Amino acid sequence: DAMVIQNPRYQVTQFGKPVTLSCSQTLNHNVMYWYQQKSSQAPKLLFHYYDKDFNNEADTPDNFQSRRPNTSFCFLDIRSPGLGDAAMYLCATSSNPGTSYNEQFFGPGTRLTVL
Amino acid sequence: DAKTTQPTSMDCAEGRAANLPCNHSTISGNEYVYWYRQIHSQGPQYIIHGLKNNETNEMASLIITEDRKSSTLILPHATLRDTAVYYCIVARLLRDDKIIFGKGTRLHILP
Repeated sequence: DAMVIQNPRYQVTQFGKPVTLSCSQTLNHNVMYWYQQKSSQAPKLLFHYYDKDFNNEADTPDNFQSRRPNTSFCFLDIRSPGLGDAAMYLCATSSNPGTSYNEQFFGPGTRLTVL
Repeated sequence: DAKTTQPTSMDCAEGRAANLPCNHSTISGNEYVYWYRQIHSQGPQYIIHGLKNNETNEMASLIITEDRKSSTLILPHATLRDTAVYYCIVARLLRDDKIIFGKGTRLHILP
């Protein structure tokens, strides 16, 4: 089945140690998103790629970076994780334009713990 | 972006219809109403969307008022698996337009 895959599902890192989260999709969608979701909060958009065009949200810290080497893969790099970066990180995709609605398909998320 | 207002939480008995309201009084003419839900420890899942007409799919029905200032998501026969946080979102269909999640409604389906 076509899907959005996130690896790993659980990631533990140390304070200040760079970490990379990965997302892959078999949907061939041109838009990919990264969200951060802290406990009991709504998902918060960090940035998204429209094809190769990177779009950063104004309040996303510089500590967060992203790479999209091809259509299928997108990475979230946290250069120096702090305790406040512990959260669930969600990857999503959509096909825009091309469908009559902008439905986003989400992966299961990676839960990041910072020690 | 238009903002939405939803009740913080709701209960519904299993087998009954769950009706989740959403107010979006500042919605503009080209904004759609989307509903997503998030089951515990999973990523959000798209449910349905609409512009001005009522919509129905295999998951739910969406009723939008004539003035478009509010809508109701209806789960016709709620099951325990429908326990989740339900998000009502308004967004346009333009490039780079974004789905912005609010606080949502936590729906508890009671056995």
